[in-house]
Amino acid sequence: GAVVSQHPSRVICKSGTSVKIECRSLDFQATTMFWYRQFPKQSLMLMATSNEGSKATYEQGVEKDKFLINHASLTLSTLTVTSAHPEDSSFYICSASKSRGWTEAFFGQGTRLTVV
Amino acid sequence: AQSVTQLDSHVSVSEGTPVLLRCNYSSSYSPSLFWYVQHPNKGLQLLLKYTSAATLVKGINGFEAEFKKSETSFHLTKPSAHMSDAAEYFCVVSGNNDMRFGAGTRLTVKP
Repeated sequence: GAVVSQHPSRVICKSGTSVKIECRSLDFQATTMFWYRQFPKQSLMLMATSNEGSKATYEQGVEKDKFLINHASLTLSTLTVTSAHPEDSSFYICSASKSRGWTEAFFGQGTRLTVV
Repeated sequence: AQSVTQLDSHVSVSEGTPVLLRCNYSSSYSPSLFWYVQHPNKGLQLLLKYTSAATLVKGINGFEAEFKKSETSFHLTKPSAHMSDAAEYFCVVSGNNDMRFGAGTRLTVKP
């Protein structure tokens, strides 16, 4: 199988605080991980791509200092939303691929972030 | 570069009638193509995928899709809709370490 676990599934935080979302590949080594954001009734928007051991590549318009991505191991990537504000409330989804020459990525269950 | 266009933002069918969700793609590579389904407040579930093998791909829950290179299309079909098929469907193209989502098609199934 190729299972990706994302945690937490839901989180509520106060405005101004930071929140960390974890994405783990449970039964394979993920050379590349992706982070998406999804607004209500919209498609997934790619935020960044990270390869293990190197800096993430952010899509245009995504603030690097606000959305910190760490891919320290082949099975774990984290997304930290720093100094969160209500407009950061969204559904965040990660995915992971097995190799650099990948053709398929496997998705986590998503995290519903609500900033109050 | 690659992109996906889902031609219908919303499709409504009656239960028991056929489903057609349209997807066209553009890619500079030999693409892999996927259809995912997302139920409200849930993650993505893979329905089926095309990765340069048979052009007619059968997926879960009775869905299938046909890769047509000449038309750059990968339309999703199902012979008979079920109420549980009501959800958001995403067509996805991948290749060269890049994956792009279509805007999504909301499928409504009327009793």
